[in-house]
Amino acid sequence: AQSVTQPDIHITVSEGASLELRCNYSYGATPYLFWYVQSPGQGLQLLLKYFSGDTLVQGIKGFEAEFKRSLSSFNLRKPSVHWSDAAEYFCAVGGPGGGTSYGKLTFGQGTILTVHP
Amino acid sequence: SAVISQKPSRDICQRGTSLTIQCQVDSQVTMMFWYRQQPGQSLTLIATANQGSEATYESGFVIDKFPISRPNLTFSTLTVSNMSPEDSSIYLCSVSEGTEAFFGQGTRLTVV
Repeated sequence: AQSVTQPDIHITVSEGASLELRCNYSYGATPYLFWYVQSPGQGLQLLLKYFSGDTLVQGIKGFEAEFKRSLSSFNLRKPSVHWSDAAEYFCAVGGPGGGTSYGKLTFGQGTILTVHP
Repeated sequence: SAVISQKPSRDICQRGTSLTIQCQVDSQVTMMFWYRQQPGQSLTLIATANQGSEATYESGFVIDKFPISRPNLTFSTLTVSNMSPEDSSIYLCSVSEGTEAFFGQGTRLTVV
């Protein structure tokens, strides 16, 4: 069975500092990987996704993530954090197989990001 | 991108009662998905709803507790039956369009 681990429950950074959120997955084949952000009172918003090809993917809001097959990781990074980035971040994995697989996701536990001014 | 509306956005319910959550999508979609997010937890898939057939439930979720309807390609409902405080969660509707999954704002349910 597929699984996702986000080792850090809560991370605090200062505004302007760099950020890296960790994500490790377990999946029997090439996974489809996603990062979502959930702000208080908001739904989930997709930051970026990886299916194949270039292992460094760019997303919205200045985020990027790197797929490392050897480490089974898909860490999310941002070079300079803004106060508005404070939210909860979820890593998710889905499998190949077509449209339903993009919606049938396994989520990690989430990482809450706090940004200090 | 798909726009998903969920109703109600929140509710407080008495134990033993049932609540039906509605999910409306602004485009026709084949599959709709229902997730639960318990307090301080991640999202867990409850079931996949395909129009014209019974929903497919994930391990740990049963139809008697979470009956789902899918009358057409833009609408689905999830009922949380015979509620207990353990059912207090956020319930989210999701659809996949292309290579992306879209989520509703969620329904925050508190059972007292």
